[in-house]
Formats: sequence, structure tokens, C-alpha cells
Amino acid sequence: GQNIDQPTEMTATEGAIVQINCTYQTSGFNGLFWYQQHAGEAPTFLSYNVLDGLEEKGRFSSFLSRSKGYSYLLLKELQMKDSASYLCAAVDSNYQLIWGAGTKLIIKP
Amino acid sequence: EAQVTQNPRYLITVTGKKLTVTCSQNMNHEYMSWYRQDPGLGLRQIYYSMNVEVTDKGDVPEGYKVSRKEKRNFPLILESPSPNQTSLYFCASSRGTSDVETQYFGPGTRLLVL
Repeated sequence: GQNIDQPTEMTATEGAIVQINCTYQTSGFNGLFWYQQHAGEAPTFLSYNVLDGLEEKGRFSSFLSRSKGYSYLLLKELQMKDSASYLCAAVDSNYQLIWGAGTKLIIKP
Repeated sequence: EAQVTQNPRYLITVTGKKLTVTCSQNMNHEYMSWYRQDPGLGLRQIYYSMNVEVTDKGDVPEGYKVSRKEKRNFPLILESPSPNQTSLYFCASSRGTSDVETQYFGPGTRLLVL
């Protein structure tokens, strides 16, 4: 079967760094998305990785290891507005998205 | 402004009373999808459509219907809502499915079925 695993909840301090992990098992693989979702709002696109390695976008970076079925989202210089859920979604061989349940990130001052 | 819109944003109804949630996109996207989101379960796909007049079941289609008569619209129909359909619903669209495409989400519809 197809499966995505990510931690349910994480807590971090304002100004610190946090890494949110995601492991996946899919029928074929065509890349992995990260979305941010503030409470009660729509998910918004953060990043897409299809090749191994780290991609950096400002304070956010996303890493992919295809051989390990593993990705992480790295958030630096955390701000209170980063409090949100972070959704991991893998793209299978039919270009369908397989969604994780999301990681709720709580930022404390 | 490129966007996906949904209406209504909030809805309280009673068991068995048919309802429709509308979804419209102005980006000329071929692919549209409906999800429901429940605490601890993440996004679960209800139905999707790869183009006009083409719809397919997602992971949780029971109790729902959709139609795609025009490219821009993809309404979600609950013929006889039940309390277990109380949820947060999102419509999403993307350019197509022949390659990897970013999905854009509507603002969500919060439904309560009494």
C-alpha cells in the first residue's frame, strides 16, 4: 500500500531551527511536495523536490533522499507566524498526490 | 487574480437535506479535486476530475457526487448528508496530470451536519 508518515506535533522556540521529517512508500515516485496550512485556512505550496539533495528558499529548505524514501523540511530563524501545520505529499506513478496527516508546529516565544 | 473559490464557506444543515458546495477556478486548469480534512487524518481525496465530463473516485467517495460540465466548475453534491460528513472541505485545481503540477486550494468549506 501507499503510506506517508510524519510526526503529529512538534514544538520549537522562536528564533530556533526545526526539522520536520517525512517518510513515504508509494507505487512509483514522481517527487514530493511540502505545503503549509494555518489553522482553518487552505494549504499553500512551499516546495517540490524530485531530485536528491537540499533545496533552499529563504528561511525554508527541503531535502529529499529517494533511496531512503525520506524527506525533511527545515525551518530556520523561526517566527511566531510559522506556527502552522506542515503537510507532506508524495506523487505516485499516476501523478496522484498521497498526503500525510500533517505535522502541527507550535512556536513558543 | 488567479484563484479557486468555494461557496458557501460555512454551512450548518440537518441530516438528509441535500446540499451543494460550489467550486470554481479561473486559471483554465484541467484537473480539479475535492478533499475532506478531519483532525488526525489529513487530506483525503473524495473525487477528482482530469477534464470536462471526466470524473473519478478518490479514497472516500461514498455519500458524495460530483459533476464537471464546464472546465471552471466542479460542484460537490451531498444527496443525503449524515453527521459523519461533518468536516472541512477543500477544492483544489492544477494545470493537468500529465506531469507533476502544483495544486492550488480554495479557502475551504466548513460543514456541520446535525
